Amino acid sequence: DIVMTQTPLSLSVTPGQPASISCKSSQSLLHSDGKTYLYWYLQKPGQPPQLLIYEVSNRFSGVPDRFSGSGSGTDFTLKISRVEAEDVGVYYCMQSIQLLTFGGGTKVEIK
Amino acid sequence: EVQLVESGGGLIQPGGSLRLSCAASGFTVSSNYMSWVRQAPGKGLEWVSVIYSGGSTYYADSVKGRFTISRDNSKNTLYLQMNSLRAEDTAVYYCARAGHYWGQGTLVTVSS
Repeated sequence: DIVMTQTPLSLSVTPGQPASISCKSSQSLLHSDGKTYLYWYLQKPGQPPQLLIYEVSNRFSGVPDRFSGSGSGTDFTLKISRVEAEDVGVYYCMQSIQLLTFGGGTKVEIK
Repeated sequence: EVQLVESGGGLIQPGGSLRLSCAASGFTVSSNYMSWVRQAPGKGLEWVSVIYSGGSTYYADSVKGRFTISRDNSKNTLYLQMNSLRAEDTAVYYCARAGHYWGQGTLVTVSS
């Protein structure tokens, strides 16, 4: 089974400042089709997860460009260039190369 | 527009059974991989089961032998049959299309 490890567990950010979340997988997420199956989600309180980034670095429809994803193989990062109040919630990474596995989540709050 | 609407949750006694449904619109269920993901109160996301377009099904170890995922192509609906329910199965259950689209979830509470 692929294990997904997210850090940090929580983050307190001043509005307008950047934020970064790391996600490491226990195996490479690079598929033989050339795609890397790593996703990022934001779950706001009382809501289902919403997709932010798919296949490492592709922003989903309607996602602001202050969100960006990067990485390869087993190491991945989600960056928010300038955090806004509406960005609070729990962020999860997920792999889908071998069934599905989620990271433990990173709670982002505003200072 | 893609929509996923879960139903079938509720309060059930330990050892009981429930069948969750996920009605899809805006796409064809059988053409995508579809998953069930759950979230226990105050906890993170846990993958439960997946059915691929070819029909292969897989389960998390925690539900293997008790839960069955299926789909009805004529109704464009995904199902999760849950048997021998335990207290630790208490969670909001979400269906998801290929990780991109998620329903609002349905709450399953297993308690006497």
